Amino acid sequence: QMQLQQWGTGLLRPSETLSLTCAVHGGSFSGHYWSWIRQSPGKGLEWIGEVTESGSTNYNPSLKSRVAISVDTSKNEFSLKLNSVTAADRAMYYCARVGGWEFDFWGQGTLVTVSS
Amino acid sequence: EIVLTQSPDNLSLSPGERATLSCRATRTINSAHLAWYQQKPGQAPRLLIYGASSRATGIPDRFSGSGYGTEFTLTISRLEPEDFAVYYCQQYGNSPRYSFGQGTKLEIK
Repeated sequence: QMQLQQWGTGLLRPSETLSLTCAVHGGSFSGHYWSWIRQSPGKGLEWIGEVTESGSTNYNPSLKSRVAISVDTSKNEFSLKLNSVTAADRAMYYCARVGGWEFDFWGQGTLVTVSS
Repeated sequence: EIVLTQSPDNLSLSPGERATLSCRATRTINSAHLAWYQQKPGQAPRLLIYGASSRATGIPDRFSGSGYGTEFTLTISRLEPEDFAVYYCQQYGNSPRYSFGQGTKLEIK
């Protein structure tokens, strides 16, 4: 059974860079897109972006200028960096696998808080 | 950008009743690109339905999805106590590539 395990810094100051990593266990890393999604009370569920095993990426235009998603196929991991964070970036962040056109496996979530 | 609007925002029903949740899109969606999720407090969303009407692995058959074009429906035929949660629809499209509805909270009456 596929499992996604994620980790990263939960407390940031304004202008810092958010950094999260997601490890994929128990399934094939190849042949899928791997996404980051966030959830906040104000904006609901918001797709951030995705990466393939080859490193090809797609980003949400609303975040594109601040986001980078990368992949490490040797470890079956992918990572999210979001720079210049503000209070508006406070959310639960999830990693997820793209099945066909939907998200079929999810990480457990990481709560990110931004406070000075 | 395609916007998904779910209705109602809140739905109060009793166990054993039938639940009908709606998801309306601002433009036509390929049915293959519409999914539904269930989320319980403190948990990540769980995929229920993909391709508008196909149940994901392990999902009970009391959950069904239907619809096409701009109108989609998630039906729970007979509510079990564990079905009370928040439900989201999601579409695959262009710019952004994926988007979600605002959710319907299904509460015990």
